[in-house]
Amino acid sequence: GESVGLHLPTLSVQEGDNSIINCAYSNSASDYFIWYKQESGKGPQFIIDIRSNMDKRQGQRVTVLLNKTVKHLSLQIAATQPGDSAVYFCAEQGGTYKYIFGTGTRLKVLA
Amino acid sequence: GAVVSQHPSRVICKSGTSVKIECRSLDFQATTMFWYRQFPKQSLMLMATSNEGSKATYEQGVEKDKFLINHASLTLSTLTVTSAHPEDSSFYICSAPQGRTQYFGPGTRLTVL
Repeated sequence: GESVGLHLPTLSVQEGDNSIINCAYSNSASDYFIWYKQESGKGPQFIIDIRSNMDKRQGQRVTVLLNKTVKHLSLQIAATQPGDSAVYFCAEQGGTYKYIFGTGTRLKVLA
Repeated sequence: GAVVSQHPSRVICKSGTSVKIECRSLDFQATTMFWYRQFPKQSLMLMATSNEGSKATYEQGVEKDKFLINHASLTLSTLTVTSAHPEDSSFYICSAPQGRTQYFGPGTRLTVL
């Protein structure tokens, strides 16, 4: 069943607009960061990653920005499409092999 | 590349029975695999790290006798939920790393009646 009182932050974006999803990470020693997309009832799907020696990386329609000074990571999706509707998780890794996941953001694309 | 499969995708069982979930790396080998549990509207919670040829490493609070993990080969890890109860109902997801990137399976929805 659902957890009472637990809500994923939601970002609603008009189709065709750009989306920016933000993530604050916790460990200043983390040196590898990843964004995943998770559709309902499915496993997380790798979108893009970035290492700490970079502050920007671009993929197809997606860009990840890393600001180590304020421990902030963002995912930009250009020309958002209905198929982009999903929950997006950031993850960080550093020091150990384990990932630390963010709480997730639900992206809703409005037609 | 980097495809991970899970089987079954969903299972319904009676309380007290055991359920086995398989995780396979289809196009690469993985000496390590990870098992996660996810509750609705929540993030992924790491349960254990599966190590090929040796014992799994369990996270704090996860009962190793309840959640048996076997990493029999470089492409297969299994999670067995023993004596399942309704509170074990959840979405179980495995992952396998290639380099530093974890690739996830499609998940298994377990419902215990």
